Amino acid sequence: AQSVSQHNHHVILSEAASLELGCNYSYGGTVNLFWYVQYPGQHLQLLLKYFSGDPLVKGIKGFEAEFIKSKFSFNLRKPSVQWSDTAEYFCAVRGPISGGYNKLIFGAGTRLAVHP
Amino acid sequence: GAGVSQSPRYKVTKRGQDVALRCDPISGHVSLYWYRQALGQGPEFLTYFNYEAQQDKSGLPNDRFSAERPEGSISTLTIQRTEQRDSAMYRCASSLLEIDSPSDTQYFGPGTRLTVL
Repeated sequence: AQSVSQHNHHVILSEAASLELGCNYSYGGTVNLFWYVQYPGQHLQLLLKYFSGDPLVKGIKGFEAEFIKSKFSFNLRKPSVQWSDTAEYFCAVRGPISGGYNKLIFGAGTRLAVHP
Repeated sequence: GAGVSQSPRYKVTKRGQDVALRCDPISGHVSLYWYRQALGQGPEFLTYFNYEAQQDKSGLPNDRFSAERPEGSISTLTIQRTEQRDSAMYRCASSLLEIDSPSDTQYFGPGTRLTVL
């Protein structure tokens, strides 16, 4: 079955550390890629998305992600995390991999805890 | 409203009871989606609507689950004869476009946490 893998389920960092969260998907065709974030007590929010064009995507709050087609990856990065980045992060993909552009397939999520 | 709203936010019910979960999409959004998220997992697709038409219900786990959107706006997800395995976060999302568009984006509501005792 087509799937999305997030390799790190729990990540603990100190403030100012650099962050990279891995996301891989098991399909070689056209895909749209997303990172969603859920802060404690809040709903899922869109962090950034890739549809086409420049494979390096800038999102909100200093986050970026790079689409590497040859590696089927869309890793999320931030050079210096803050305590307020503590949240759960979900990678998602859609396209033929999910049965159409109206369905998202999500990874299992990564819980990030940032210590002051 | 400014975003997708869902009610109730929390629902506790006894096994065998029916429950109805409500979703109010962003104004003007024509597509509406339901997902279910088990503990420790990412959301899984259940069904989606364009206007009032249910376009895909392939993710509904069995015939106890149904959804409707009669006027193309508010949607209700109904679970009949609930079972403990139905306990999960039920998430609703909406998007602006009506076609299977690669440029469309889904915006999520706060979810309804369902617990079946």
